[in-house]
Amino acid sequence: EPEVTQTPSHQVTQMGQEVILRCVPISNHLYFYWYRQILGQKVEFLVSFYNNEISEKSEIFDDQFSVERPDGSNFTLKIRSTKLEDSAMYFCASSEDPRGYEQYFGPGTRLTVT
Amino acid sequence: QQQVKQSPQSLIVQKGGISIINCAYENTAFDYFPWYQQFPGKGPALLIAIRPDVSEKKEGRFTISFNKSAKQFSLHIMDSQPGDSATYFCAASNTDKLIFGTGTRLQVFP
Repeated sequence: EPEVTQTPSHQVTQMGQEVILRCVPISNHLYFYWYRQILGQKVEFLVSFYNNEISEKSEIFDDQFSVERPDGSNFTLKIRSTKLEDSAMYFCASSEDPRGYEQYFGPGTRLTVT
Repeated sequence: QQQVKQSPQSLIVQKGGISIINCAYENTAFDYFPWYQQFPGKGPALLIAIRPDVSEKKEGRFTISFNKSAKQFSLHIMDSQPGDSATYFCAASNTDKLIFGTGTRLQVFP
């Protein structure tokens, strides 16, 4: 069964450093998403992406965040200058539906900022 | 208006029992209501979803009941099993972003 994959599973970084989280969406999906989940809290939407453009972003997704589809398979989330409060699980999701129905999530990357 | 309220926060059910988790929303523009199951250290897994044109959807032991006038929807897990022990999130959307509830931690004891 096709699945969304994410690397790394755990990333530890120092405050102020840049990190890139990588995702490989399901191959025939065209709609991509990033969500985050602070420990013990609900899952929060960050950004949606289609056709090399951001479709929608939340207020969390400020100028320190960016997304990119550098090739035909990867989808990345870059955090330019990490803060302690960026520590969270980051989930990538993908869908084949333009309305965002049936979003399939990856296993997540745990980001720890020290 | 964009919030989805979920209850209870935690639920303990005996094996074979029925687990019921409730969600309520305010935004009448929401048109898609999925439920996700999440095991510790894993990503949310899509369990079942409903559109507001039907009042109930059943898949195996999992049923969504939807009350459009009350702006509420619920997940029923029949014949609950220890393997169902996980955190369950309801969500809603009317664009492509999912708005999640706060989650319910379900524990099913043998």
